Amino acid sequence: AQKITQTQPGMFVQEKEAVTLDCTYDTSDQSYGLFWYKQPSSGEMIFLIYQGSYDEQNATEGRYSLNFQKARKSANLVISASQLGDSAMYFCAMREGLGAGGSYIPTFGRGTSLIVHP
Amino acid sequence: SQTIHQWPATLVQPVGSPLSLECTVEGTSNPNLYWYRQAAGRGLQLLFYSVGIGQISSEVPQNLSASRPQDRQFILSSKKLLLSDSGFYLCAWSAQEGGQPQHFGDGTRLSIL
Repeated sequence: AQKITQTQPGMFVQEKEAVTLDCTYDTSDQSYGLFWYKQPSSGEMIFLIYQGSYDEQNATEGRYSLNFQKARKSANLVISASQLGDSAMYFCAMREGLGAGGSYIPTFGRGTSLIVHP
Repeated sequence: SQTIHQWPATLVQPVGSPLSLECTVEGTSNPNLYWYRQAAGRGLQLLFYSVGIGQISSEVPQNLSASRPQDRQFILSSKKLLLSDSGFYLCAWSAQEGGQPQHFGDGTRLSIL
């Protein structure tokens, strides 16, 4: 079974509107971290935001926020006030076991392609 | 601040030729290091990771190999490239502590002719 599921292969949003990119995860660990990355057409992977499993508040970084629903095992990325430069692939990832001896290998989803229309 | 350098940015090689891609990290010590491959329009495939000098773990059997001769240097190699080795190769590092993100290099676009 996939540990990270991104069900939206492609999303479209109007400039200046908000958009939510879905991510669900599967783990039996109590301690884990969730990450979102952006990959523009140029190829580099850019770290956007992190949420730890023990964090009680949703993470926010500028226009990015993470809607963390632990019971549902979802970690959706919300981008507010979309800009043309937000057009890119977005990947959700999880790293299990945040303490010593935890996994060194994050698991990535297959990504969601976001296109922002003017 | 930490930086990661990966080169070359693009490479065109004939089938059967050797390969060497290099990745170096600055501004940190004892990082975890990773090599990924990404086919066009697809997700990331982890090829190798390393938690220390000389410690290499392979995730996918293939004709590629990796080495970590120094703490912050990670090299991806092949003795004979195959057509199926074409793709976009990304190097990444992360801190050893849990909860830390990976930071990626700019990638190498490898085309095999």
